[in-house]
Amino acid sequence: NAGVTQTPKFQVLKTGQSMTLQCAQDMNHNSMYWYRQDPGMGLRLIYYSASEGTTDKGEVPNGYNVSRLNKREFSLRLESAAPSQTSVYFCASSASTGNTIYFGEGSWLTVV
Amino acid sequence: AQRVTQPEKLLSVFKGAPVELKCNYSYSGSPELFWYVQYSRQRLQLLLRHISRESIKGFTADLNKGETSFHLKKPFAQEEDSAMYYCAVSSGGYQKVTFGIGTKLQVIP
Repeated sequence: NAGVTQTPKFQVLKTGQSMTLQCAQDMNHNSMYWYRQDPGMGLRLIYYSASEGTTDKGEVPNGYNVSRLNKREFSLRLESAAPSQTSVYFCASSASTGNTIYFGEGSWLTVV
Repeated sequence: AQRVTQPEKLLSVFKGAPVELKCNYSYSGSPELFWYVQYSRQRLQLLLRHISRESIKGFTADLNKGETSFHLKKPFAQEEDSAMYYCAVSSGGYQKVTFGIGTKLQVIP
């Protein structure tokens, strides 16, 4: 049982480049999330999707876009990467918002 | 808006000593409280949630609505407890979960 899988695990980008982080879950969960983790800031919600077909902004959505492609997949796109977006990104899912959240292993992104 | 406060970024205790990781919250409804843990080189995972009222790996947490706290406790720390601990709150129903900044627990042998 893979749970939540996200790719890539590591990525280095130049300022201004774009990229998409992919995420898929195999637990038939309705809700999916993207968080970023920064030292001293904890986990901050970027975007979430309460159910297939819906997406909503979290605490720090600026500079990001998301797509809930289907019930399994939820991607995060950086259109024009900035050094401030250097972080560890976690995809997660839950049966519904407010329930136990299951996390992916994280994606380490460095923007130079 | 719901908010979670974890006042200690780092907590160091000796092996065998009691552990208390503090968490205070603010909420706009009936809260659901969680503790998540991230061990070195592992993914973030649920440790316990208040509605389960269970003890996981010797840890317990009691919801104190009067003090709006959900402190995580363990009577005797073990080296394998060293990890990053996040308190989280949801106002229930279909509300999203908000995490605190985390407390790094370091258990000294």
